[in-house]
Amino acid sequence: KAGVTQTPRYLIKTRGQQVTLSCSPISGHRSVSWYQQTPGQGLQFLFEYFSETQRNKGNFPGRFSGRQFSNSRSEMNVSTLELGDSALYLCASSLEVGGDYEQYFGPGTRLTVT
Amino acid sequence: GENVEQHPSTLSVQEGDSAVIKCTYSDSASNYFPWYKQELGKGPQLIIDIRSNVGEKKDQRIAVTLNKTAKHFSLHITETQPEDSAVYFCAASRGSNYQLIWGAGTKLIIKP
Repeated sequence: KAGVTQTPRYLIKTRGQQVTLSCSPISGHRSVSWYQQTPGQGLQFLFEYFSETQRNKGNFPGRFSGRQFSNSRSEMNVSTLELGDSALYLCASSLEVGGDYEQYFGPGTRLTVT
Repeated sequence: GENVEQHPSTLSVQEGDSAVIKCTYSDSASNYFPWYKQELGKGPQLIIDIRSNVGEKKDQRIAVTLNKTAKHFSLHITETQPEDSAVYFCAASRGSNYQLIWGAGTKLIIKP
């Protein structure tokens, strides 16, 4: 079974621009979570989608948004990019059936804002 | 709010020795405790998890113990090998419908 895939893997944007990142979960997984990871900051939770609805949300400004499609694929969008948005963005999927809610991560998208 | 504290932030051990990483959680309703390993340039990988109805779980050289009374859980790696060098994260959750609360990570260095 294929793992979680994220595209693109690397991205360079300019301050003020917007960016869209994509995540394809493991087949059959219904939940997708997004995280921001910066050096020394660990994993910061952005939001989680389940069956196309945002189920949980972290403490990030409204510039960070996401959505989930009917096939469980998810996108996150960051508008008006700031230098501090440079980070590794990770998505994770989980099955959410029968008590199985282990999260499986993709390789991440490395975003650099200049 | 809920938080998870993880110690130490860096751990250096001789190859072949054991390594122990400890986490303490604040939410007494937490019932799911996974551990992740993140190698350089990769996403975190689930290596072992434990649920609150179990006190200890083993998988070859790794084990996790849970003390619900004290609200802490630990990762034990025996007979460490160079490939164990990575950053390890603990997390806690109330289960489905709830987000994982993450520790800050431990950088494990295995000295040859």
